[in-house]
Amino acid sequence: EAGVAQSPRYKIIEKRQSVAFWCNPISGHATLYWYQQILGQGPKLLIQFQNNGVVDDSQLPKDRFSAERLKGVDSTLKIQPAKLEDSAVYLCASSSGGGVIETQYFGPGTRLLVL
Amino acid sequence: AQSVTQPDIHITVSEGASLELRCNYSYGATPYLFWYVQSPGQGLQLLLKYFSGDTLVQGIKGFEAEFKRSQSSFNLRKPSVHWSDAAEYFCAVGINTGGFKTIFGAGTRLFVKA
Repeated sequence: EAGVAQSPRYKIIEKRQSVAFWCNPISGHATLYWYQQILGQGPKLLIQFQNNGVVDDSQLPKDRFSAERLKGVDSTLKIQPAKLEDSAVYLCASSSGGGVIETQYFGPGTRLLVL
Repeated sequence: AQSVTQPDIHITVSEGASLELRCNYSYGATPYLFWYVQSPGQGLQLLLKYFSGDTLVQGIKGFEAEFKRSQSSFNLRKPSVHWSDAAEYFCAVGINTGGFKTIFGAGTRLFVKA
């Protein structure tokens, strides 16, 4: 079974530029998560989708971050414009459902450096 | 507010020695607790989880964790560490917000010396 795929793996941009990350979840998984992991910290949930609807985006900085999950499959996370403090690893995860008993499967992440 | 504390930023153990990683949580309701491992360049992998029942939980790779409600702790243990266990370990609590959200601790990096 293929795992969660993310691209690109690394990205370096200058502040005020825009960037987009892509995630393809495990086939058949209804729930998709985007996390931000700043160096020295644990992952922080940015947004959670159930199929193509948003379940939780309370910690997404909506003035600069946006995310979509068209057709309830793959997803894109965008930052525009980027700030220095956005430097982090962006992790995508998926689960078959959105309940507490569902195991989340994580992708390898996209490491973003904002200069 | 809900939170997870991992008091040790890093720990070094000798190969073959026992391991205990500490985790304390703050959550008013029944906690759902997890331990994840993150190896360099890889995503997080679930080691084990606790929802209810037996407070001693067995996981993959020979790990176990014990839930102690009175101490708000969920410590991870392994009787004999292998060099391949060197990684970052994250404790997490699942909370019910209408949906379900996972809150992670800051992690403990494990170094294994020969």
